[in-house]
Amino acid sequence: DTEVTQTPKHLVMGMTNKKSLKCEQHMGHRAMYWYKQKAKKPPELMFVYSYEKLSINESVPSRFSPECPNSSLLNLHLHALQPEDSALYLCASSQDFYRRIYEQYFGPGTRLTVT
Amino acid sequence: DQQVKQNSPSLSVQEGRISILNCDYTNSMFDYFLWYKKYPAEGPTFLISISSIKDKNEDGRFTVFLNKSAKHLSLHIVPSQPGDSAVYFCAASVSGGSNYKLTFGKGTLLTVNP
Repeated sequence: DTEVTQTPKHLVMGMTNKKSLKCEQHMGHRAMYWYKQKAKKPPELMFVYSYEKLSINESVPSRFSPECPNSSLLNLHLHALQPEDSALYLCASSQDFYRRIYEQYFGPGTRLTVT
Repeated sequence: DQQVKQNSPSLSVQEGRISILNCDYTNSMFDYFLWYKKYPAEGPTFLISISSIKDKNEDGRFTVFLNKSAKHLSLHIVPSQPGDSAVYFCAASVSGGSNYKLTFGKGTLLTVNP
């Protein structure tokens, strides 16, 4: 099973709303990632969790707040977003953060529209 | 500064022929390279990877070639099938403490015509 699931598939929210994106994997992977992808652009790394601890924050604005409740789940809490935050948000996981295993497996993404 | 470049935004190939997707990189520290395929409205799917200690890796219809001296890699798909039509991203990584970070190219849209 190499599946990473994400919910919801689509989300429309106003600039004053609070919402959350969810990601789940059952591959036993210990590293999980959030990416943002705009149309016709490559994915941009936002956050990395390794062994449920936040390891990397790529200077993401505080209106995005990640959370890793356990090794299988990753959330992204959204608050006071801007229209330019509209994008496809991708979750990924990989077997380990520190060993020489680099393949990241991506979920289908959540298409977010901020109005 | 774009460290991973895919200079062809699109490529069109006939079914059954070979598709060759190219990728160049500038960072000589990169030592692991990956190819991902992406359909519209889906997340990228891992296809194949290659370590810098190798110059070729093959998996079924997909072969990746690495030319370290030229800082160039290519993905060959033989034979191409209409279901291969997608955006292909090349990605690179540095081993060691930063191995979490994949640097992606901008992608090449492959269209395989029946």
